[in-house]
Amino acid sequence: NAGVTQTPKFQVLKTGQSMTLQCAQDMNHNSMYWYRQDPGMGLRLIYYSASEGTTDKGEVPNGYNVSRLNKREFSLRLESAAPSQTSVYFCASSPKSTGGLDTIYFGEGSWLTVV
Amino acid sequence: AQSVAQPEDQVNVAEGNPLTVKCTYSVSGNPYLFWYVQYPNRGLQFLLKYITGDNLVKGSYGFEAEFNKSQTSFHLKKPSALVSDSALYFCAVRVVTSGGSYIPTFGRGTSLIVHP
Repeated sequence: NAGVTQTPKFQVLKTGQSMTLQCAQDMNHNSMYWYRQDPGMGLRLIYYSASEGTTDKGEVPNGYNVSRLNKREFSLRLESAAPSQTSVYFCASSPKSTGGLDTIYFGEGSWLTVV
Repeated sequence: AQSVAQPEDQVNVAEGNPLTVKCTYSVSGNPYLFWYVQYPNRGLQFLLKYITGDNLVKGSYGFEAEFNKSQTSFHLKKPSALVSDSALYFCAVRVVTSGGSYIPTFGRGTSLIVHP
């Protein structure tokens, strides 16, 4: 049972390059999320998808785009990477689309460095 | 604004001693509160949550948390700390977005260090 799988685990980008972080869950969850984790800042929500076919901005969406490709997959794209986007990125999922009372299941993280 | 605060960046405790990691919240309506733990280079894992009912919530790995409505707190506790409990702990609260969705908002995290 893989849970939430993110790829790649590590990536170094040059300023201005683009890349996509991939995320897939095999738990048949409705909701999926992308967070970034920075020292002293905790986890901040970038985008989320309450259910298949919907996406919404979180706290820090600027510089990112997302695609909910199907129920399993939720990708995060950096169109023109900036050093400020150096961070650890976590994909997560939860069972239901409403209520917000569910346990959230996290992937192992993707370490991104922009030089 | 709906938010959660963890006033301590780091908590140090000796193995075998009780531990407390503090969390306070600010929400409109009923609070729904969570604790997660993050071990080095890993994703977050769920520990426990308070939805309603008993103010003392028991969770994984011997942890428990006490909900206190008058003090708007949800402190994480464990009677006897283990070195293996050393990790980063996050408190979270359910908030309502401008779009009407319910999502968890996390605190900044508290690093727990248990000394042998």
